[in-house]
Amino acid sequence: QMQLQESGPGLVKASETLSLTCTVSGGSISNSRYFWSWIRQPPGKGLEWIGTVHYSGITYYNPSLKSRITISADTSKNQFSLKLSSVTAADTAVYHCARQGEGPWGQGTLVTVSS
Amino acid sequence: YMLTQPHSVSESPGKTVTISCTRSSGSIASNYVQWYQQRPGRSPTTVIYEDNQRPSGVPDRFSGSIDTSSNSSSLTISGLKTEDEADYYCQSYDSNNWVFGGGTKLTVL
Repeated sequence: QMQLQESGPGLVKASETLSLTCTVSGGSISNSRYFWSWIRQPPGKGLEWIGTVHYSGITYYNPSLKSRITISADTSKNQFSLKLSSVTAADTAVYHCARQGEGPWGQGTLVTVSS
Repeated sequence: YMLTQPHSVSESPGKTVTISCTRSSGSIASNYVQWYQQRPGRSPTTVIYEDNQRPSGVPDRFSGSIDTSSNSSSLTISGLKTEDEADYYCQSYDSNNWVFGGGTKLTVL
């Protein structure tokens, strides 16, 4: 059964770069059928798509975040990663990774941006 | 485009409820629709993908459909249980970008 797990710092200082990793178990991110995504949810609010990566390196980014995002895949570690630069308090959210379509989603990790 | 959902719905245990998701422009049939369930304090889980497919482990009480006449997708839950009380989000695509609906709070009382 495929599982996804987010990892990374829970606290990031304003203006710095948020870095998270999603580790996939029970399946390979190199399967050409799958795309892998990051989604976030500010406290008490709805879901916002951040971006998507294919193991081949193809990426799709939310236009509103595109200038600050880098998403990449590491097939040797069966992981994919998110980097979000120049963070502000508005970037405080629970960050989720997920396999596009059928899922599953990871359990999510809260990242707080401090001033 | 936008996906519009009712803010909240409520129904009694054992009954059937339908949650709608209306696409503002372009055809609802142009891109697959997914539905996610998010119980309080939990991460979202997929209950419907590719318009009407259920992931393994999701009971057949959950079904999805699209209606081109109303340009909407619907999630129907039959035989409601108290454990179905959650937020439900629809999601589709605009080119390769994800688009989410605002979410619907389902209360089972």
